[in-house]
Amino acid sequence: KQEVTQIPAALSVPEGENLVLNCSFTDSAIYNLQWFRQDPGKGLTSLLLIQSSQREQTSGRLNASLDKSSGRSTLYIAASQPGDSATYLCAVIMVNDMRFGAGTRLTVKP
Amino acid sequence: DAGVIQSPRHEVTEMGQEVTLRCKPISGHDYLFWYRQTMMRGLELLIYFNNNVPIDDSGMPEDRFSAKMPNASFSTLKIQPSEPRDSAVYFCASRGAGASYEQYFGPGTRLTVT
Repeated sequence: KQEVTQIPAALSVPEGENLVLNCSFTDSAIYNLQWFRQDPGKGLTSLLLIQSSQREQTSGRLNASLDKSSGRSTLYIAASQPGDSATYLCAVIMVNDMRFGAGTRLTVKP
Repeated sequence: DAGVIQSPRHEVTEMGQEVTLRCKPISGHDYLFWYRQTMMRGLELLIYFNNNVPIDDSGMPEDRFSAKMPNASFSTLKIQPSEPRDSAVYFCASRGAGASYEQYFGPGTRLTVT
C-alpha cells in the first residue's frame, strides 16, 4: 500500500529565506506527483504537477523535483514571503488513485 | 469554466439526520473523486467514478455512506444516518482523460454533525 510522508510537519522561517519541503513515498510505481497548497478553511490549489518522465517543474519562485527511484520529491520555495504561509501537501498519483501526505504547515514571519 | 462546484459550503446537522453533499465537475472531465479531510486522518479517497460509473468505493467508511453520479455533470455523496464522527471537510475533484492525471479540486463542504 502506498504511503506518503512529508517532513517536516511544520516549519517557521523569516521572510526572505529559501526553504525546502520534503515528500517521500513507499511505492515508486507512480504516474505523477502533484504539490498543492491549502490555506486555512479553504480548498486545495494545485501548484505543480511532475509527470513520471520528468525530473522537475518550475513555476515562479517554486521548483519541484522528483526522484522516482528513491521515492522522493522536494518543493523548493525561493525568497519566501508571508503570503506563502499555508499548508503544503504532496500527492502521489497512481493509475486511479491519489494518496496524500499529511502536509507541511509553513509560516513565514515578516 | 467555473471549476469544480460543491454545495453546500457549510452544513450543520444533528446526529441521525440525512446529509447530502453535491458536486458539479468540470465540463468534459470523465473522472470524479470524493475525498474526506480530517485532522486525524488527513485526506482520504472515498470513492471515484469514471464515465458516471463507480469504479472503486473501497474508501467508503461504512454502509451509511453512499454516492451516485446520475449524469456527467452531477454527483452526490449521502450520509444516512449521520454521526458526529462524520464531521469533516468533504472535497470533490474531477479529472480529464489526459496523461497528466491532474485532479482539480472543489472548495469543499465543511460538515459538522452535532
